[in-house]
Amino acid sequence: DVKVTQSSRYLVKRTGEKVFLECVQDMDHENMFWYRQDPGLGLRLIYFSYDVKMKEKGDIPEGYSVSREKKERFSLILESASTNQTSMYLCASKVQGYGYTFGSGTRLTVV
Amino acid sequence: DQQVKQNSPSLSVQEGRISILNCDYTNSMFDYFLWYKKYPAEGPTFLISISSIKDKNEDGRFTVFLNKSAKHLSLHIVPSQPGDSAVYFCAASAPLSQGGSEKLVFGKGTKLTVNP
Repeated sequence: DVKVTQSSRYLVKRTGEKVFLECVQDMDHENMFWYRQDPGLGLRLIYFSYDVKMKEKGDIPEGYSVSREKKERFSLILESASTNQTSMYLCASKVQGYGYTFGSGTRLTVV
Repeated sequence: DQQVKQNSPSLSVQEGRISILNCDYTNSMFDYFLWYKKYPAEGPTFLISISSIKDKNEDGRFTVFLNKSAKHLSLHIVPSQPGDSAVYFCAASAPLSQGGSEKLVFGKGTKLTVNP
């Protein structure tokens, strides 16, 4: 069965820290995505990647960057964490023509 | 500009009754629609989908109806169970553009509470 693994379920970081959120999928999917979920705002796309080393900005890329050096791994980077980046972060992967498989999410708190 | 809208942030129903969750979209290029279910502190899980060539798809207690002329879809859960209490997201997909990926566009979600 399809599996998307996010490295941490809960993280607490300090303002100004550089934060790495890791996501690994085991399905040889081309497309991978990072979303954040906030109450009342739904799922908002931060970045996505449709191949190794390829990335595109989503709807809210400010304050974030991504890295995709290998097909199975898609990393989200908070260059300098701020309190308004406290959120639930969700990684997903997708084979073209089918829906997403999501990871379990990372609840990030920036203090 | 919200392309996928779930106008009801919350819905409460009694166990055993029908739950109807609604979703409207504005982009006529959307050709594939999905519903995801999300429990707190977990990632969303796929529930059911429908292609624009159909107007109904059924899977057990879950049925999705698509009205293309109204740009509206709905998820029916019959009978509703307390374990169905979750946030439900509607999502839509447009065809691949050259060199692009199939991004899903999500609504903001509807929180369903099924009372025992």
